[in-house]
Amino acid sequence: DADVTQTPRNRITKTGKRIMLECSQTKGHDRMYWYRQDPGLGLRLIYYSFDVKDINKGEISDGYSVSRQAQAKFSLSLESAIPNQTALYFCATSDFAGVAGGLRDEQFFGPGTRLTVL
Amino acid sequence: SQKIEQNSEALNIQEGKTATLTCNYTNYSPAYLQWYRQDPGRGPVFLLLIRENEKEKRKERLKVTFDTTLKQSLFHITASQPADSATYLCALGVDTGRRALTFGSGTRLQVQP
Repeated sequence: DADVTQTPRNRITKTGKRIMLECSQTKGHDRMYWYRQDPGLGLRLIYYSFDVKDINKGEISDGYSVSRQAQAKFSLSLESAIPNQTALYFCATSDFAGVAGGLRDEQFFGPGTRLTVL
Repeated sequence: SQKIEQNSEALNIQEGKTATLTCNYTNYSPAYLQWYRQDPGRGPVFLLLIRENEKEKRKERLKVTFDTTLKQSLFHITASQPADSATYLCALGVDTGRRALTFGSGTRLQVQP
């Protein structure tokens, strides 16, 4: 089974609709992230969560909200979808450790959700 | 403002040659830098991490250098193969752990047989 799963994998919706993208992980990591990827723009961070009660905005959080329901689940919502939110969305997890702990912050990505807003 | 630059032009090389990809950054003091590989339509996959006090890291045919004076990392793939064709992303992190990684936009590598 995949360690990081995303549902749905593909979604086509209309402007103004509310959409939820879900992410689940079995890696036991505290940290979870949502990114969007557009051609030529690379990965841009939407929201990130260091644990269930610690949620932070990324560089492009406007128009999005998140919910960390449990350590293993992190959902991204588009309250009222618009066409320029058409993109590939990735969820990721990591198990951060500073230098004293061996320094790691390798991120594990899900397979992505391709969202099209018409 | 903080900026990470990777060559947006695709890099085309011949099989067997060494591919060298560049990651430059400004207004940033990273404690470590990571490289990821991404295939079309898939999530990135972690390859290597190098700390600020390390000049070079190797893993099989991969080599990463990190020059904090030049604010640059170089990623080398020796004896390149067509299967190495992908987009390669660099990402910078700080050691406090209170900030997420920042990713570059990636460079696409095409290895011709």
